[in-house]
Amino acid sequence: GENVEQHPSTLSVQEGDSAVIKCTYSDSASNYFPWYKQELGKGPQLIIDIRSNVGEKKDQRIAVTLNKTAKHFSLHITETQPEDSAVYFCAATYAGGTSYGKLTFGQGTILTVHP
Amino acid sequence: KAGVTQTPRYLIKTRGQQVTLSCSPISGHRSVSWYQQTPGQGLQFLFEYFSETQRNKGNFPGRFSGRQFSNSRSEMNVSTLELGDSALYLCASSLNSYMGTQYFGPGTRLTVL
Repeated sequence: GENVEQHPSTLSVQEGDSAVIKCTYSDSASNYFPWYKQELGKGPQLIIDIRSNVGEKKDQRIAVTLNKTAKHFSLHITETQPEDSAVYFCAATYAGGTSYGKLTFGQGTILTVHP
Repeated sequence: KAGVTQTPRYLIKTRGQQVTLSCSPISGHRSVSWYQQTPGQGLQFLFEYFSETQRNKGNFPGRFSGRQFSNSRSEMNVSTLELGDSALYLCASSLNSYMGTQYFGPGTRLTVL
């Protein structure tokens, strides 16, 4: 089955700096890669996603890149703000196949943005 | 649109008891997936339902079960609770799970004493 590894487990940055979180996946059939942000006491919130037919996607200060050959994808947050502090999860799945609703998650990255 | 709702938000049970958790998906969404989140194991897939049928199941014992109703609302049940079942149980809804995009509810925090 799919296995997703996420690094780093913790990341501390100063406000205004950039933050990068990286994930690698094992199943070359995976074609959908979402990123979630989870704040304390809340469920994961989808912040951006990318499909395997696209190499990069951007939404304001957030961007995701995908390297299918190397089987890794990354989340980039620019101009970080204290409210970006949260746990971030990457995930992978084979959408359209027999994965049927199963996202495989990385272990999470605790991002702390210091004012 | 209203988001995914889960009830109850918090639950305390003792070992050996059983528990039922409820999830109402986003209006129009027909697929509901359930996940268990613990500090040690992270987010793990339990099962997925679509049109009242379980289409996929994760690697959990048979004590974990679920169902989906004709209005897409879903319930999961855990029987003979163990201490290790203490976790945040999350449900996520998707239009049809074919495209992959899932939206999560706030979760039910289950504590087993």
